[in-house]
Amino acid sequence: GESVGLHLPTLSVQEGDNSIINCAYSNSASDYFIWYKQESGKGPQFIIDIRSNMDKRQGQRVTVLLNKTVKHLSLQIAATQPGDSAVYFCAENRDGTASKLTFGTGTRLQVTL
Amino acid sequence: KAGVTQTPRYLIKTRGQQVTLSCSPISGHRSVSWYQQTPGQGLQFLFEYFSETQRNKGNFPGRFSGRQFSNSRSEMNVSTLELGDSALYLCASSLMGEQYFGPGTRLTVT
Repeated sequence: GESVGLHLPTLSVQEGDNSIINCAYSNSASDYFIWYKQESGKGPQFIIDIRSNMDKRQGQRVTVLLNKTVKHLSLQIAATQPGDSAVYFCAENRDGTASKLTFGTGTRLQVTL
Repeated sequence: KAGVTQTPRYLIKTRGQQVTLSCSPISGHRSVSWYQQTPGQGLQFLFEYFSETQRNKGNFPGRFSGRQFSNSRSEMNVSTLELGDSALYLCASSLMGEQYFGPGTRLTVT
């Protein structure tokens, strides 16, 4: 069935190191992908998005990579900081918009000092 | 610019009751989406409203309904509450794509 899943439920990274959070999706018709960050007690916060006609997009300290061949999405966070500790979700959609998103199960990123 | 606001933030209801949750989108945003978040099922799409019309719908029973007003504010209603409806209900608004989420309403059904 259609699903967006994550390889690891928890990722522990030392402060200053780079973090890589992975996501697999099964719907080859998906054409829009988003990464969200959710801190405790808050709603998801948009980090970065990418459309299926791209394979890489960079933001401030973050990079999203899209491999459509193997239906894989990753989020790279450079120089991870304690404030990056949160649950990260990938989400996908098929009509190029952020409506009716299908979310992955989430990866908890723990930044150790 | 004020963010998405949701009221109430916390709610406790009894099985069989109904509940109405409110969402005020960011000024100028016409699309409002609702999601349910639970530890077991994660984030699941409920429905989306745009210009007072339901534009998309997820796979939830008819007990879950919503509406949007002319000022883009939205409400969702859950009737005949079940224990499994206990969740964080999130609202998100968007103008042209990127969704901005509110803090959610934590509903506990006892």
